[in-house]
Amino acid sequence: DTEVTQTPKHLVMGMTNKKSLKCEQHMGHRAMYWYKQKAKKPPELMFVYSYEKLSINESVPSRFSPECPNSSLLNLHLHALQPEDSALYLCASSQEGTGGWGYTFGSGTRLTVV
Amino acid sequence: AQSVTQPDIHITVSEGASLELRCNYSYGATPYLFWYVQSPGQGLQLLLKYFSGDTLVQGIKGFEAEFKRSQSSFNLRKPSVHWSDAAEYFCAVVLNTGFQKLVFGTGTRLLVSP
Repeated sequence: DTEVTQTPKHLVMGMTNKKSLKCEQHMGHRAMYWYKQKAKKPPELMFVYSYEKLSINESVPSRFSPECPNSSLLNLHLHALQPEDSALYLCASSQEGTGGWGYTFGSGTRLTVV
Repeated sequence: AQSVTQPDIHITVSEGASLELRCNYSYGATPYLFWYVQSPGQGLQLLLKYFSGDTLVQGIKGFEAEFKRSQSSFNLRKPSVHWSDAAEYFCAVVLNTGFQKLVFGTGTRLLVSP
């Protein structure tokens, strides 16, 4: 299995809702990432997990809460989002400590906040 | 500051013509360099990567890139473009800042004309 699977593919949520994005990989990668991509912009790093521990938080607002339950799963919990949080959320994984022998990206979750 | 620059926002190429997309990096050491492609609303697909060794790197879909240390460049090339190559192309660099972060350039949108 050489894929990163993200669910759901599309999500519409209200500003008072709580939802979660899921990411799964079975390549044995020990680093996992969340990126946010606004329209016509490059992806921007949000969080990095290494060996299931949060390594980097790029000053992301607390309404985004990451979780790494095990080495194969990465979640992003969403609460009280704003319309400007609407974006494509991409998950990626890599072999940690190897310079990223090709970060593998999922196809993303298209999030719309209404 | 460490960064990666793609000077061309849009490029239009006729089908069958050759293609070169430019990428320049600003980094103290030789970075790990990548090219990714993204079709509209999709995730990112790795085209090729450079870590060390031969400066001409072959990738998927007939793409190649050449690392030139003297010019701090990693330009992407393809000898004959197909209509299906129309997409957004991102150059990316891994920054060794205690933990490897993948940082993207601003992207170049490739349009292919008949």
